[in-house]
Amino acid sequence: EAQVTQNPRYLITVTGKKLTVTCSQNMNHEYMSWYRQDPGLGLRQIYYSMNVEVTDKGDVPEGYKVSRKEKRNFPLILESPSPNQTSLYFCASSQEAGGTYEQYFGPGTRLTVT
Amino acid sequence: AQKITQTQPGMFVQEKEAVTLDCTYDTSDPSYGLFWYKQPSSGEMIFLIYQGSYDQQNATEGRYSLNFQKARKSANLVISASQLGDSAMYFCAMSPTGFQKLVFGTGTRLLVSP
Repeated sequence: EAQVTQNPRYLITVTGKKLTVTCSQNMNHEYMSWYRQDPGLGLRQIYYSMNVEVTDKGDVPEGYKVSRKEKRNFPLILESPSPNQTSLYFCASSQEAGGTYEQYFGPGTRLTVT
Repeated sequence: AQKITQTQPGMFVQEKEAVTLDCTYDTSDPSYGLFWYKQPSSGEMIFLIYQGSYDQQNATEGRYSLNFQKARKSANLVISASQLGDSAMYFCAMSPTGFQKLVFGTGTRLLVSP
């Protein structure tokens, strides 16, 4: 089954404690992205990757890091989380195929930073 | 810069009726894609429909159709024969040339009543 997995699904942490949210896709997609969703703001892109070792900033990259060492994995790293990073995070992977285009989203990770 | 506007924070519809969710966009890219996603209360993002900017015909997927008016820069979602399970948040999104990212609107919450 084609899917994007994220772990953990829920996380409560404290300010300044480094954390990593993992993302993995099994569709051999080239593109992967991280988004955060906040009430009234929709989803905003944090970082994206066009292939292994190729990453770039999205609209809200401050306070986040990413890496793409393998095609299937795209972890999101918060080196020093702060309360304003409390949000719902989505990983997505995508590929153009047959004239259409779709982003597959993971189930989301709800992060609370106290 | 690209922008998606969804002016309806909430919509109500009775079961079995049709409903139109509005979406307008702004871009200077010559080629782009338009998407609609459904987010039920469980939180996952479900892809509904895609329209390419050069597609001549409006996209349809089952009960979903996308009313694409390029000159007006609108991409409204039409749901025919609404069902109770259609109650959810609906997001319009655009992917500019290159498809590395999605730019989302703020969403419309649809409630379907019996």
